[in-house]
Amino acid sequence: DTEVTQTPKHLVMGMTNKKSLKCEQHMGHRAMYWYKQKAKKPPELMFVYSYEKLSINESVPSRFSPECPNSSLLNLHLHALQPEDSALYLCASSQADRVSQPQHFGDGTRLSIL
Amino acid sequence: AQTVTQSQPEMSVQEAETVTLSCTYDTSENNYYLFWYKQPPSRQMILVIRQEAYKQQNATENRFSVNFQKAAKSFSLKISDSQLGDTAMYFCAFMKHGSGGGADGLTFGKGTHLIIQP
Repeated sequence: DTEVTQTPKHLVMGMTNKKSLKCEQHMGHRAMYWYKQKAKKPPELMFVYSYEKLSINESVPSRFSPECPNSSLLNLHLHALQPEDSALYLCASSQADRVSQPQHFGDGTRLSIL
Repeated sequence: AQTVTQSQPEMSVQEAETVTLSCTYDTSENNYYLFWYKQPPSRQMILVIRQEAYKQQNATENRFSVNFQKAAKSFSLKISDSQLGDTAMYFCAFMKHGSGGGADGLTFGKGTHLIIQP
């Protein structure tokens, strides 16, 4: 069982819908991440939160809006997405003050945009 | 910016054989970390092994070991006594020491699809 829980596992939405992806961890990690993975490609970093503050935004379009309401929870709010945004969205967490420690990944949310 | 190159898109070996996956990287950073992750069809990214760049000793984890050549910027993964459950996509990943000592994201190579044949 993964220690990073992502919901939902699958999501199908239209281009005008608003939806949110959720990620939760209870390992006491203070760094959390969102990655996007297209089919047969490696994950690409989107956002990094450190101590609940956004520290890295890899020039992600504003239709993706991250939120970290507390140290255990990370959300990704979606609005007006495009078909090319269909992908696997992976959440990860790690210790923020010991950067040599690995990132732990969730199972991902498979997102399909109609 | 850093880049990670995995030159073997796919490899296939017989069960119990030893296989080596190659990875090279390019960076101007001095402090960084290297990882190998596996991603089976179940899609969860699982850490296989990690290496701190300042450590000269190669990391080992049971059947998995690395050959870290810092000057050559090479970080290969050796899997001994391969098992059917090792079948997966393997990603080499780089992480620099974040600014201010904080967290930073991973940069992944394109991956090597490893198939273990019975």
